[in-house]
Amino acid sequence: GQQLNQSPQSMFIQEGEDVSMNCTSSSIFNTWLWYKQEPGEGPVLLIALYKAGELTSNGRLTAQFGITRKDSFLNISASIPSDVGIYFCAGQLVGGSQGNLIFGKGTKLSVKP
Amino acid sequence: DSGVTQTPKHLITATGQRVTLRCSPRSGDLSVYWYQQSLDQGLQFLIQYYNGEERAKGNILERFSAQQFPDLHSELNLSSLELGDSALYFCASSVVWEDTQYFGPGTRLTVL
Repeated sequence: GQQLNQSPQSMFIQEGEDVSMNCTSSSIFNTWLWYKQEPGEGPVLLIALYKAGELTSNGRLTAQFGITRKDSFLNISASIPSDVGIYFCAGQLVGGSQGNLIFGKGTKLSVKP
Repeated sequence: DSGVTQTPKHLITATGQRVTLRCSPRSGDLSVYWYQQSLDQGLQFLIQYYNGEERAKGNILERFSAQQFPDLHSELNLSSLELGDSALYFCASSVVWEDTQYFGPGTRLTVL
C-alpha cells in the first residue's frame, strides 16, 4: 500500500538541542498530521495541517505543510527528556467519504539529560 | 486521554482461534477507523465505518471483519488467527471522515 518516507529513523540528542524530522510522499495529501506515541499508548495528535504552505506551532513544536502538498516537516525546539517517544507523520486523502490515514514508519527520539 | 476507549488492553490466544476487539468512539464522533501496528509494517489502515456503514477498506485480511453498531461502538473480529497477526490494534474516531482522528490506547494481541 501507500507509504510515507519519514526520516530520520532515529535520533539521539542532548537535552536542549533542536530536532528536525520530515516526511515525503509521491502522493498529494489534503491534510498532514503529526502524532507522538509513547510505549504502551496510542498515537497522540500533536499538530494538524490543512493548507499547503501552512506553518503551525504548538508550544515548542512547529510543523509545516509543504507547498507541493507532498511533504511536511516537524521541528522541536529546546528538547526536554519528556520529548522521548516515536513521532509519526500521517497524510490524509479526503474524498468520497473516506478519510483514512497513511503513516510514515516513525522517528524514534531519545533525549539525553 | 483521547476519549476513545478500547477493550481489552491485552489479549493472548492460540493460533486458529477467533477474538473480538471492541472500541467506543469519542462522544459525538460518527466515524471509526481500525489500524494495525506491527514492527515490520508500521501503522496500517484496516477499515473505516461511518454512522454504521463501511466506508473504506485498507489492508484488511479476509479473515478479519468489523462492524459499527447503532450506538456507534465498533468491533473488530479476527478469526483463524496466525502468529503473524500478533500486533497492536488501534481504533480511532472522528466527527466525520475529514476531521482529525483521535486514537484509543490500543489492544495488544499476542497469538501463540
